[in-house]
Amino acid sequence: NAGVTQTPKFQVLKTGQSMTLQCAQDMNHNSMYWYRQDPGMGLRLIYYSASEGTTDKGEVPNGYNVSRLNKREFSLRLESAAPSQTSVYFCASSQGTGREKLFFGSGTQLSVL
Amino acid sequence: AQSVTQLGSHVSVSEGALVLLRCNYSSSVPPYLFWYVQYPNQGLQLLLKYTTGATLVKGINGFEAEFKKSETSFHLTKPSAHMSDAAEYFCAVNSNLVYNQGGKLIFGQGTELSVKP
Repeated sequence: NAGVTQTPKFQVLKTGQSMTLQCAQDMNHNSMYWYRQDPGMGLRLIYYSASEGTTDKGEVPNGYNVSRLNKREFSLRLESAAPSQTSVYFCASSQGTGREKLFFGSGTQLSVL
Repeated sequence: AQSVTQLGSHVSVSEGALVLLRCNYSSSVPPYLFWYVQYPNQGLQLLLKYTTGATLVKGINGFEAEFKKSETSFHLTKPSAHMSDAAEYFCAVNSNLVYNQGGKLIFGQGTELSVKP
């Protein structure tokens, strides 16, 4: 079982460039999430999608956009990358009741120069 | 709004000693509470969770946590640390305002646990 698949695993961007992080899950989960992880800051929620067709802002949405393309896929877009967006990004999914665990992807290490 | 505070970004214990990682939460409604562990260069794994019922919950690898509403706490403990417990631990809260409608999981800052031989 693939679980949650994120691409790419590594990316280096120059300031101002754009890119899209892709995430797909094969567990028929309703909810999907994007987090960023920075040293000393833990994981901070960027955006989440409680169900197909809905998206909501998390704690740190500025500079990002998301698309819930279908039930399986949830992409994160950086329109104009900034050095402050250098981070490790994790996609996650869950059934969506709020009581169950999240399944995490392996992460994308992004550096913005 | 919900939030999580983990006291101590680094905790160091000797092998065989008690592990205590502290977590306090803020939530306007009864929360769901979680502890996740992240080993180096890996994603997060669920250790244990509290949703309803018994306030003392047991998880994997000998860890347990107790939900104390009066103290708004959900501290993680393990009686005897093992070298393999060295990792980063995250407390998380989900204030599910609408039953079965998901909601957002908010993480604390993390506590790095070191285990000395």
